Amino acid sequence: EAQVTQNPRYLITVTGKKLTVTCSQNMNHEYMSWYRQDPGLGLRQIYYSMNVEVTDKGDVPEGYKVSRKEKRNFPLILESPSPNQTSLYFCASSFLSVGTEQYFGPGTRLTVT
Amino acid sequence: KNEVEQSPQNLTAQEGEFITINCSYSVGISALHWLQQHPGGGIVSLFMLSSGKKKHGRLIATINIQEKHSSLHITASHPRDSAVYICAVNYGGSQGNLIFGKGTKLSVKP
Repeated sequence: EAQVTQNPRYLITVTGKKLTVTCSQNMNHEYMSWYRQDPGLGLRQIYYSMNVEVTDKGDVPEGYKVSRKEKRNFPLILESPSPNQTSLYFCASSFLSVGTEQYFGPGTRLTVT
Repeated sequence: KNEVEQSPQNLTAQEGEFITINCSYSVGISALHWLQQHPGGGIVSLFMLSSGKKKHGRLIATINIQEKHSSLHITASHPRDSAVYICAVNYGGSQGNLIFGKGTKLSVKP
């Protein structure tokens, strides 16, 4: 089944404790992206990757890191999480960056206390 | 700043009504997406448009490039259409960057 998976689905952590949210797709897509969704602000792009070893900042990259060492995986790293990073996070992928349908993961609900 | 505006913010309809959700953007784009977010939180892509009109079942999406405006229409609405509908655009100058509207929350009453 074609899908985007994220792990974990739910995470409660404390300020400053490094964490990684994994994202994997099995559709051989070139483009992958991370978004956060907050009440009243909607979805906002954090980072995206046009292909392996190619990443770029979205609108809200501060406090996040990403890497794209393999085509299928695009982990989101929070080196020192803070409470303002409490949010619902979505990973998505598409065949190309523009003009192709985006497939979204199920979301990861992160709470930083 | 490149922005995406959606209207209305909230919409309540009776089953069977024709529904229109609007999306406006500020500068030239390379593609526009309509997404649906279910009450459980999952997001699915409904349409990707760069020109003209697309139809899928009871859903129709149109885009007017000159007016920088897109509409999503739902014919013969049903309670299962209740969801948040989100417009997003790829601006021409930055192909990987996706900008989202804040969404339209639709509730269809039986």
